[in-house]
Amino acid sequence: SQELEQSPQSLIVQEGKNLTINCTSSKTLYGLYWYKQKYGEGLIFLMMLQKGGEEKSHEKITAKLDEKKQQSSLHITASQPSHAGIYLCGADLPNDYKLSFGAGTTVTVRA
Amino acid sequence: NAGVTQTPKFQVLKTGQSMTLQCAQDMNHNSMYWYRQDPGMGLRLIYYSASEGTTDKGEVPNGYNVSRLNKREFSLRLESAAPSQTSVYFCASSDGANYGYTFGSGTRLTVV
Repeated sequence: SQELEQSPQSLIVQEGKNLTINCTSSKTLYGLYWYKQKYGEGLIFLMMLQKGGEEKSHEKITAKLDEKKQQSSLHITASQPSHAGIYLCGADLPNDYKLSFGAGTTVTVRA
Repeated sequence: NAGVTQTPKFQVLKTGQSMTLQCAQDMNHNSMYWYRQDPGMGLRLIYYSASEGTTDKGEVPNGYNVSRLNKREFSLRLESAAPSQTSVYFCASSDGANYGYTFGSGTRLTVV
């Protein structure tokens, strides 16, 4: 969806290093979802953010929603090979109760 | 395990052939969706069904038809497959807005 821009498109990180993925909306965000996908598999739900300024963490993954900037970031601390995959953001947009998705960010973790 | 089940997982079709992708969920969700995923384009909505008995077009409906057979099942049909329909197809279900989606494992379709 052109309404959700993810950056970077792909990244390679050394194991143990941190990484950040951004998701920016052209419209107001009512709900922002992060999913992870491994090659050949379906999408796994990571977390959902709804309130401006909200921040959630699960294990080494932290997501924040900056409502004013219409942006969310996903941060992985001390990356591991298990963090490799495609990360997609999805959002509830105004007047639309269907999720729109960004193009995804491919993460490669090198040992 | 509860979730969304898609069949088949892989399929190769010749141009002009038809086929139906099956999807079933056992979470009693009202809404179901069909997406296609292509490199660099993310997920694009083909059709969705907000509730049993209703279906609506999404972003890329041309060349597809759907049937919401009952609350559990939502099928996607390609009447005359084209190479441009080579993609990975995902079915998803949800219990309404703000609850996120549960996805199936996908069907990898190649049209030659």
